[in-house]
Amino acid sequence: QQQVKQSPQSLIVQKGGISIINCAYENTAFDYFPWYQQFPGKGPALLIAIRPDVSEKKEGRFTISFNKSAKQFSLHIMDSQPGDSATYFCAADSGGGADGLTFGKGTHLIIQP
Amino acid sequence: DGGITQSPKYLFRKEGQNVTLSCEQNLNHDAMYWYRQDPGQGLRLIYYSQIVNDFQKGDIAEGYSVSREKKESFPLTVTSAQKNPTAFYLCASSILTGVQFFGPGTRLTVL
Repeated sequence: QQQVKQSPQSLIVQKGGISIINCAYENTAFDYFPWYQQFPGKGPALLIAIRPDVSEKKEGRFTISFNKSAKQFSLHIMDSQPGDSATYFCAADSGGGADGLTFGKGTHLIIQP
Repeated sequence: DGGITQSPKYLFRKEGQNVTLSCEQNLNHDAMYWYRQDPGQGLRLIYYSQIVNDFQKGDIAEGYSVSREKKESFPLTVTSAQKNPTAFYLCASSILTGVQFFGPGTRLTVL
């Protein structure tokens, strides 16, 4: 099963709050989990990525938490700002997959001022 | 200045017309990809190519064609057989596996 399931589909958070987006996968061969951020009319840009040998990775206000046994990973945005309003995609790669990344369906995040 | 370029940014197609979307990269990446994005659908893979002169169908290849004559170029043709081509098209490239880098996209509208 190649799917990556992402939730929620949309999310509204107050400025200064924590935004949390969750993803789950079935394929245990996945070994690389990037998150992409996309603004309207633009291409997705790599935000942060993790490999399953660590349980957490933090870059500024963005943190990935990874639970290998549950096959779940999540993105946390601390102190959310209006400029964080965008669509976020999780993805997974198995390293040997010729067709590259498997993407979640995206989360439309709105940060209210 | 390395990166991926797509042109045009906006494209309009009449019924029954073929159109070609350009994608160029100077990152020296081996693999290139085309995705279609519709609201609420996420990214759907159309075609991908790992090396020059070789490419594979993705999940929604019907009505599309590609070529890979040069490492840095991967044009996508939307043919008249594609019945609902209005969408945002994204090109990406990568070293064979792992992180993909995306272009700015082309928005195609059928008139």
